Amino acid sequence: DIQMTQSPSSLSASVGDRVNMTCRASPGISNSLAWYQQQSGKAPKLLIYDAYILQRGVSARFIGGGSGPDFTLTISSLQPEDFAVYYCQQYYSPPPWTFGQGTKVEIK
Amino acid sequence: QVQLQESGPGLVKPSETLSLTCTVSGGSVSSGSYYWSWIRQPPGKGLEWIGNIYNSGNTNYNASLKNRVTISVDTSKNQFSLKLRSVTAADTAVYYCVSSWLVRYFENWGQGTLVTVSS
Repeated sequence: DIQMTQSPSSLSASVGDRVNMTCRASPGISNSLAWYQQQSGKAPKLLIYDAYILQRGVSARFIGGGSGPDFTLTISSLQPEDFAVYYCQQYYSPPPWTFGQGTKVEIK
Repeated sequence: QVQLQESGPGLVKPSETLSLTCTVSGGSVSSGSYYWSWIRQPPGKGLEWIGNIYNSGNTNYNASLKNRVTISVDTSKNQFSLKLRSVTAADTAVYYCVSSWLVRYFENWGQGTLVTVSS
């Protein structure tokens, strides 16, 4: 199975900050990577697919980057509604479809 | 836009079978282009893909659960279902039904339903 490792597991930031998080795939997955945001008590929401393509309706402050095996999700200017847990997921070689363990973005 | 809604008991006894149904609107479970998945999330933990069904009957299962899981589809009701046998407390989780376009990312999620395994 492909293992997805996210870092950091949590980070603290302030509104307006630029925030970066990383997802590493082992073995490589080309660009078959998605990012999700999960706000407290809600279902995950697709933000980005194919590593850098913004899902329809998602704010352009979310930026996906990188290429296998290391990928990044950047929030260019953190907003109050962005405090959440972010997951990466690979779909290069399913089954299984696998997720990272998540990065929690907390208020500083 | 595909919409999904989970339904089923919120409490299941240990060793019994967990049964959930997902009702789909805005799309057809008979479509050969969609994969219909179940994903779970234990309290305070991450996401685990359980399995999926496509082409009205082909299935994939997570190997860690394979001998306990069955996913099926009811095309007449536009629903798909999950059965997880011999449950333990470790199966306590929020269960989501999810759709994806072909073998890709998970685009549409149900709101999730909490299932607690307890006597």
